[in-house]
Amino acid sequence: DTEVTQTPKHLVMGMTNKKSLKCEQHMGHRAMYWYKQKAKKPPELMFVYSYEKLSINESVPSRFSPECPNSSLLNLHLHALQPEDSALYLCASSQETGATYEQYFGPGTRLTVT
Amino acid sequence: LAKTTQPISMDSYEGQEVNITCSHNNIATNDYITWYQQFPSQGPRFIIQGYKTKVTNEVASLFIPADRKSSTLSLPRVSLSDTAVYYCLGARGGDIFGTGTRLKVLA
Repeated sequence: DTEVTQTPKHLVMGMTNKKSLKCEQHMGHRAMYWYKQKAKKPPELMFVYSYEKLSINESVPSRFSPECPNSSLLNLHLHALQPEDSALYLCASSQETGATYEQYFGPGTRLTVT
Repeated sequence: LAKTTQPISMDSYEGQEVNITCSHNNIATNDYITWYQQFPSQGPRFIIQGYKTKVTNEVASLFIPADRKSSTLSLPRVSLSDTAVYYCLGARGGDIFGTGTRLKVLA
């Protein structure tokens, strides 16, 4: 199984809502990633988890809160978002962090903040 | 932090070979060059990776000169289904995406 799944596929939320994005992989990968992608732009790295510990936070605002409950799951908790946070949120995993490891991406969650 | 630059867009016809070049002038000694393909509303998909010289797989070839300041992704005999955005990554462990090249394959 080389699949990364993400739920939900689409999410519409108000600026005062709290919601969560979920990501799951069963490939035994020990590195997991969150990316944000705006239309016609490349994915931008947000967070990297290595062995369930946060290893990289690319200066992401605190209204985005990542969580890695176990080696297969990655969550992104959302609170008090702004309309400019509307984007495609991509989750990825790789065997380990580092240049030689291929990342497997999920299909993404299309988030709209109203 | 090393960054990559690529042409913004390219057009090609079915059956032609397409070469997309990526510039990574400040690539670090331990950085690999990785290419991903992305279709609309989907996550990127790994195509190929290399460190130096030439790498070939069933999908593409990757040419990297000795100075490693650039690389060229070669797609043989493209089809309409190869229309996508192609990203070159060559920085800090392969998690920094370049600007991407929008390839449009025409019939």
